[in-house]
Amino acid sequence: GAVVSQHPSRVICKSGTSVKIECRSLDFQATTMFWYRQFPKKSLMLMATSNEGSKATYEQGVEKDKFLINHASLTLSTLTVTSAHPEDSSFYICSARDYRAPGMNTGELFFGEGSRLTVL
Amino acid sequence: AQSVAQPEDQVNVAEGNPLTVKCTYSVSGNPYLFWYVQYPNRGLQFLLKYITGDNLVKGSYGFEAEFNKSQTSFHLKKPSALVSDSALYFCAVRDSSGGSYIPTFGRGTSLIVHP
Repeated sequence: GAVVSQHPSRVICKSGTSVKIECRSLDFQATTMFWYRQFPKKSLMLMATSNEGSKATYEQGVEKDKFLINHASLTLSTLTVTSAHPEDSSFYICSARDYRAPGMNTGELFFGEGSRLTVL
Repeated sequence: AQSVAQPEDQVNVAEGNPLTVKCTYSVSGNPYLFWYVQYPNRGLQFLLKYITGDNLVKGSYGFEAEFNKSQTSFHLKKPSALVSDSALYFCAVRDSSGGSYIPTFGRGTSLIVHP
């Protein structure tokens, strides 16, 4: 099956610094990747859709300048949390769809392992 | 528009007993339905999906789900729960007639299996 790798799994940073999280599709090409934020009460919030070679599409209420997303290749998308603050501490999860798979248009997604960000 | 509801925040079951995690959905067209499982501090893992065909879908780790169109439900089931099944379970739906291919996720249900 399709494998999505996310790195780092855990990161601790000081307030005001920037942190980059990488999401890679290892055995397939992902024209589209998705970034989610998971809050302590479990729910997943879709932050943005990352499109290869073009600008990301952000969901309402998500700050584009705070959460920079780059999808420079068919296998890599990055999320940079700029000038991080303690309220940005969260679990960030990326996912991708395999555009060549039979289930491409059904909505089936493949998820990374998540990245736990702690901002001190 | 598409939406999905997981009415239970938490489900408790004794090991060896059958388990059910509920999911209901709302779509305009036909639904594509999914169940994912999440273990602590991990990403989501795919369990099973319903696209078309048989209403009873079998998935990973002995889980199955039944698509019920009249009740707009897609409950996750397992005949005999294991302690290792304790995790967070997400139901997701995508409307086949919708313009977006992005599924909508439920808020998640914590399954706790007691020894």
